Amino acid sequence: AQTVTQSQPEMSVQEAETVTLSCTYDTSESDYYLFWYKQPPSRQMILVIRQEAYKQQNATENRFSVNFQKAAKSFSLKISDSQLGDAAMYFCAYRSMEYGNKLVFGAGTILRVKS
Amino acid sequence: GAVVSQHPSWVICKSGTSVKIECRSLDFQATTMFWYRQFPKQSLMLMATSNEGSKATYEQGVEKDKFLINHASLTLSTLTVTSAHPEDSSFYICSASAGRSAYSNQPQHFGDGTRLSIL
Repeated sequence: AQTVTQSQPEMSVQEAETVTLSCTYDTSESDYYLFWYKQPPSRQMILVIRQEAYKQQNATENRFSVNFQKAAKSFSLKISDSQLGDAAMYFCAYRSMEYGNKLVFGAGTILRVKS
Repeated sequence: GAVVSQHPSWVICKSGTSVKIECRSLDFQATTMFWYRQFPKQSLMLMATSNEGSKATYEQGVEKDKFLINHASLTLSTLTVTSAHPEDSSFYICSASAGRSAYSNQPQHFGDGTRLSIL
């Protein structure tokens, strides 16, 4: 079974600075998807970014980018120019390409943004 | 597009009653829906996966008779918490996908969740 580990329960960043959230996963599969979701206090799940494992190029969405290291099974999220609205719980998630559409979530990282 | 509506957003009820939560896909046909449970400051735990017109597949440790899932149409799935007790209090989130359970690369679209409080 796949597992996703987020080793940082909480992180803080100063407004306008850059922060990196860590995620590692364990799988025996070669093809899969990885995601970062944001859950603000409203508790709505918002997709931040996704990465297909077969793509070597790291995904980027505006201020959000990932560092995908397939061999190391690492998938970190970098948030540049942090804004107050970035404060939320961030979840890393894994989805198998072979065994259905299930998402396996990490424990989450609470990101606090200081003004 | 790809909007999922979940209702109610918050419900408070007495111990022993049954509570139904609805999950609707508003602008696409959701062949697969997922139900998650989330405790405060914790991760989402998948409870069950349902495909339209068939029985739900429950994750290990989830009581089928306690959490009844019905996916009778391509736009609606319901989760009924039967004979609810305080320990069932939690945040429940649904998601919907246009793909079938297996071999699908269709993304999951999440509802806004339901806060269930059992007194």
